[in-house]
Amino acid sequence: ETGVTQTPRHLVMGMTNKKSLKCEQHLGHNAMYWYKQSAKKPLELMFVYNFKEQTENNSVPSRFSPECPNSSHLFLHLHTLQPEDSALYLCASSLPGQVPVGELFFGEGSRLTVL
Amino acid sequence: KQEVTQIPAALSVPEGENLVLNCSFTDSAIYNLQWFRQDPGKGLTSLLLIQSSQREQTSGRLNASLDKSSGRSTLYIAASQPGDSATYLCAVQSYGGSQGNLIFGKGTKLSVKP
Repeated sequence: ETGVTQTPRHLVMGMTNKKSLKCEQHLGHNAMYWYKQSAKKPLELMFVYNFKEQTENNSVPSRFSPECPNSSHLFLHLHTLQPEDSALYLCASSLPGQVPVGELFFGEGSRLTVL
Repeated sequence: KQEVTQIPAALSVPEGENLVLNCSFTDSAIYNLQWFRQDPGKGLTSLLLIQSSQREQTSGRLNASLDKSSGRSTLYIAASQPGDSATYLCAVQSYGGSQGNLIFGKGTKLSVKP
């Protein structure tokens, strides 16, 4: 059983819709991450949060809006997406504020399809 | 700019074989290298984390080695089983990289036939 839980597991949305992805971790970590995995491309880091504060935005378009209300929960709000945003979005957690970060623990991912 | 390459992209072996997966990286200035397993449509499971000062790590039937100076790592799987079928990813954390900015390879898709 994973310590990082993501919902929904699958999401289909139109380009004008607004939806959100949710991540919850039960590992006592204080750093959380969003990664994107597109077909035939390596995983890419999107956002980093430490103790609820965003510390990294890896040049992500503003149609992706993260939110971290507390150290256990992370959201990714989606609006006006493009079909090329269809991908597997992975949440991860770790001990906070370190480079290198040590071991990362990933959730099962949310498979997003934009029509 | 750090780049990670995994060869082969896909590998099919009969059950019971020992096998080696390869990972290479272009910049040897790394903190660590991590191997992950990903089942179809699922998230990543961490298998082994090797610090830059280490040469290898072992967990059960898995053994990962690291040769930082040559920019290579291998994942050795002993006595492969059908349950080992998955995509195996390696990732490095480089000096100068930001927190959590692992550079991933595209993975090796392993199929172990009964």
